[in-house]
Amino acid sequence: GNSVTQMEGPVTLSEEAFLTINCTYTATGYPSLFWYVQYPGEGLQLLLKATKADDKGSNKGFEATYRKETTSFHLEKGSVQVSDSAVYFCALGATDMRFGAGTRLTVKP
Amino acid sequence: NAGVTQTPKFQVLKTGQSMTLQCAQDMNHNSMYWYRQDPGMGLRLIYYSASEGTTDKGEVPNGYNVSRLNKREFSLRLESAAPSQTSVYFCASSVESGNTIYFGEGSWLTVV
Repeated sequence: GNSVTQMEGPVTLSEEAFLTINCTYTATGYPSLFWYVQYPGEGLQLLLKATKADDKGSNKGFEATYRKETTSFHLEKGSVQVSDSAVYFCALGATDMRFGAGTRLTVKP
Repeated sequence: NAGVTQTPKFQVLKTGQSMTLQCAQDMNHNSMYWYRQDPGMGLRLIYYSASEGTTDKGEVPNGYNVSRLNKREFSLRLESAAPSQTSVYFCASSVESGNTIYFGEGSWLTVV
């Protein structure tokens, strides 16, 4: 069946550090892949997505590339800010939309 | 544009009581979902409705029932609440299965 495995946190970084959060998936076919972000006390909102292999999704300085060969969709940002502190979820776009366990990121000044 | 609206936002129940969480979307989406979020457990799918008139079990359906009342509304019912159902519940919708999901603001449920 479909599943998503996400790097466990929490992750603590200093401002301007490089961020990578790993996400791998198991799926039949080639579903869309997503990253969602949840800020404290809020619901989840879409951060970026990719709909087919080799696509790169990007938003707010974050990027992720749909890698069919390694079944991965790792989230990266070159220079994090304090305002990026949140929980990040990888998700697989199937009929039953599944999410990873979430990775809590804290960015310190 | 309200998006996905769920009620109530907060609820305290006693063990054994029943309640229904209501959800409505105004985006003309075909698919709707109910998730629960527990600390350290991420988001787990309870039930989903790929289209009006259909409902299917997700990862953790036990203790819950759902009704897709019409295209706009998808309710979640706890027939006999248990402390293990203390959680934050999110309703969500998408134009169709596999597409971007839009979430409501969440409903905080405590069962004592």
